[in-house]
Amino acid sequence: EVVLTQSPGTLSLSPGERATLSCRASQSVSSTYLTWYQQKPGQAPRLLIYGASNRATGIPDRFSGSGSGTDFTLTISRLEPEDFALYYCQQYGGSPPITFGQGTRLDIK
Amino acid sequence: QVQVVQSGAEVKKPGASVKVSCQASGYTFTSYAMHWVRQAPGQGLEWMGWINADNGNTKYSQKFQGRVTITRDTSASTAYMELSSLRFEDTAVYYCARWGKSNGYYYMDVWGKGTAVTVSS
Repeated sequence: EVVLTQSPGTLSLSPGERATLSCRASQSVSSTYLTWYQQKPGQAPRLLIYGASNRATGIPDRFSGSGSGTDFTLTISRLEPEDFALYYCQQYGGSPPITFGQGTRLDIK
Repeated sequence: QVQVVQSGAEVKKPGASVKVSCQASGYTFTSYAMHWVRQAPGQGLEWMGWINADNGNTKYSQKFQGRVTITRDTSASTAYMELSSLRFEDTAVYYCARWGKSNGYYYMDVWGKGTAVTVSS
């Protein structure tokens, strides 16, 4: 099983700051199948980034993704109040075919 | 617009079964697979399984093998997830999510609002 470990568990920042979230895989993951989601309290997850670096429709360009192999990063260049939420990475491939990271909580400092 | 609408909240006793539905609209149902993901209170996302809406083929997480059954009714554009032998720890919000695809990429792009399942004696 591909285990995804996200760090930090919680990130406390202020609006306007830059956020860097990490997702590390226990074995190499195809960047084609590395995805990031955002989840706000009481809501379903929302697709943010697919293929490690492609923004989904309607996602602002302050969100960017990068990485390959076992190390992937989600960057939010300048935090807006609405960006404070939970973020999950997810991979597709292997057995089981889908695994999620445990999530990073982005809190307002 | 493209959406998936899930059935309402359920309260079940331990040992019972629950069946959650997920009705798709705004797209060709059989052109996309559907995943089921759950989230226990205060916890992360956990993948349960998926169904190829075209041919009905399924794959389940080993954790739920033998307890979960995912089916679909193409005439109703609806996918179903049934979980049996419910335990207290099955209390969670259950989501269905469309397996979107584009240029070789795959991702869960359309999510239902979730169905809260509470297991309580």
